[in-house]
This record gives sequence, structure tokens and C-alpha cells, in this order.
Amino acid sequence: AQSVTQPDIHITVSEGASLELRCNYSYGATPYLFWYVQSPGQGLQLLLKYFSGDTLVQGIKGFEAEFKRSQSSFNLRKPSVHWSDAAEYFCAVLYILRTGTYKYIFGTGTRLKVLA
Amino acid sequence: KAGVTQTPRYLIKTRGQQVTLSCSPISGHRSVSWYQQTPGQGLQFLFEYFSETQRNKGNFPGRFSGRQFSNSRSEMNVSTLELGDSALYLCASSSDSFLLYEQYFGPGTRLTVT
Repeated sequence: AQSVTQPDIHITVSEGASLELRCNYSYGATPYLFWYVQSPGQGLQLLLKYFSGDTLVQGIKGFEAEFKRSQSSFNLRKPSVHWSDAAEYFCAVLYILRTGTYKYIFGTGTRLKVLA
Repeated sequence: KAGVTQTPRYLIKTRGQQVTLSCSPISGHRSVSWYQQTPGQGLQFLFEYFSETQRNKGNFPGRFSGRQFSNSRSEMNVSTLELGDSALYLCASSSDSFLLYEQYFGPGTRLTVT
């Protein structure tokens, strides 16, 4: 069955440090991949998405993600974290089914805390 | 341009009742999707409507239903509420398929079932 795993429930980094949030998925073909951010009391905001092409994707707020087919991973990175990046981050995977419909699965989220 | 609005923002219902949540998409957007977010199950896709037709559906029981009106506004209904239905319900809109166009999320409706 299709699944999405975000192995880190909580991550704490110091402001200015680099960040990498992990996301692994299970599927035979290349799915559509997304990263979202959710600030407290807010809805989700799309950071970036990958469908095909260049495996390094640039997003908003200085985030990037790299698709690695061999590792079934789509990790999110930021070279220098700002205090305002403290939020919860969700990886999502969309699978197009043979019926033409799709299955849209979210990871359990990683809560990021930023130390001043 | 106004964002996605959801009403009400907070709701308390009793087990066995039914509830209707409303979502007004961004002007010009024809696709509306609904999601349930709970601490235990995380974020789960409920369904997507496009031009008044349900285009896709997640794995939820038939107690969860929705509809979309000609002005693209959407409602979600949950009948025979259960304690486990307590959740944040998020609505998102996009111009068309969110594979091609970004989805914009509303702030959600917090439903508490007692």
C-alpha cells in the first residue's frame, strides 16, 4: 500500500543553522510530491512540489527539496533557518491511479522548533 | 483578492447530531478540496469538487458528504457525528487541478464532538 513517512516528529535547530526534514514514500512509479508548512492556527501553505524534471526543486521562503528516486525520498532543506520558520511541516504524495482518480496521502508531520 | 474563507471557525456538537461546514473559495477558483486533520490520524484527504461535481474521494465513510454550488462555494456535511469526528476541517481551493495550480488553504473549522 502507498505510504508516506516523516521519521522525525520533532526537530529543534538554532537560528541560522541548516535544516533538513526527511520524507520517504513507498510506490513503484514516480509520484507527485509536495511539501507544506502549517503555522499554529493556520491552514497549510505550499512550499514546493515536484512532478518531473530537475530533481532539485526550489520553493518559497528559501526552501528547496531534492527528489532521490533510488532512496524514495524527497527531503526538504534550508541553508539558514529563521525564527519565523518554526511551524509544522508536512510531506504529501499524490498517486495517480489506473482509474484516472488519485490518492493523496500526507505524512504525519515534523514540528520544527527554532532556538534564538 | 480575498483568501479562502471557512465558516464557522469553531463548532461544538453532540454525538449523533449532524453538522454542515461551509467553504468559500478564492474568486475564480473552481476546485475545492476538503481535508480532516486530527492528532491521531494526521491530515487526510476527504474529497475534491470541481464545477459542482465530485472529482475524487478519499477513504471516509458515507457519513461524510459534500457538495459544490454553481458559485463554487462548497459545503461539507457529517451526519451521525461520532467522538472521533472531532478535528480541524480544512478547505482548499485552486483554479483547476492542484497538480497544475497551487492550492490555497483556509484557516479551518475546528469541530468538537461531545
